[in-house]
Amino acid sequence: EDQVTQSPEALRLQEGESSSLNCSYTVSGLRGLFWYRQDPGKGPEFLFTLYSAGEEKEKERLKATLTKKESFLHITAPKPEDSATYLCAVRLGSSASKIIFGSGTRLSIRP
Amino acid sequence: ETGVTQTPRHLVMGMTNKKSLKCEQHLGHNAMYWYKQSAKKPLELMFVYSLEERVENNSVPSRFSPECPNSSHLFLHLHTLQPEDSALYLCASSQEVGNTEAFFGQGTRLTVV
Repeated sequence: EDQVTQSPEALRLQEGESSSLNCSYTVSGLRGLFWYRQDPGKGPEFLFTLYSAGEEKEKERLKATLTKKESFLHITAPKPEDSATYLCAVRLGSSASKIIFGSGTRLSIRP
Repeated sequence: ETGVTQTPRHLVMGMTNKKSLKCEQHLGHNAMYWYKQSAKKPLELMFVYSLEERVENNSVPSRFSPECPNSSHLFLHLHTLQPEDSALYLCASSQEVGNTEAFFGQGTRLTVV
């Protein structure tokens, strides 16, 4: 069964304390892995797409990496405004429109 | 301003009511999507439209009926819903179906009483 699992469910960090969020997947025919950020009461906001193992992408304090089984979202020296829920999603090879989301990691950064 | 606008933002309806959710995108995209987001559950893809043609229907109950009159507008018609249908309903669009970058609206918070 195709599955996407995110961990931890929630993470509380002090401002400036770097950490990583995990997204592990067991799917057939991965055609892309996406990271989104979602603030309370809003729709998800696109961050990154990764296509192949070894690929990395960066945006400000965020860096996403991909292996054959999982992806990490590294957050370096986070600020309170980085507090949000981070969602991971995968697109499957069986259908161009088949996308599965993880449950998300709720990140809270204390000043 | 995300370019994808959903109305209403909040909706409370009885189980016997009929209502519609509206989504409009101003990005010139060809693909539009309906998602359901329930508390503590992952986003669930409900419907996918490409150039007004439905290309995906993920086993959604018939009490949810989508409509895409043109590539800029998407509706979700609701009738005889159940309390467990209460959720945040999100609309999204992308340049093409399966395109990596999807833009989401703010969602409609639906409560079925």
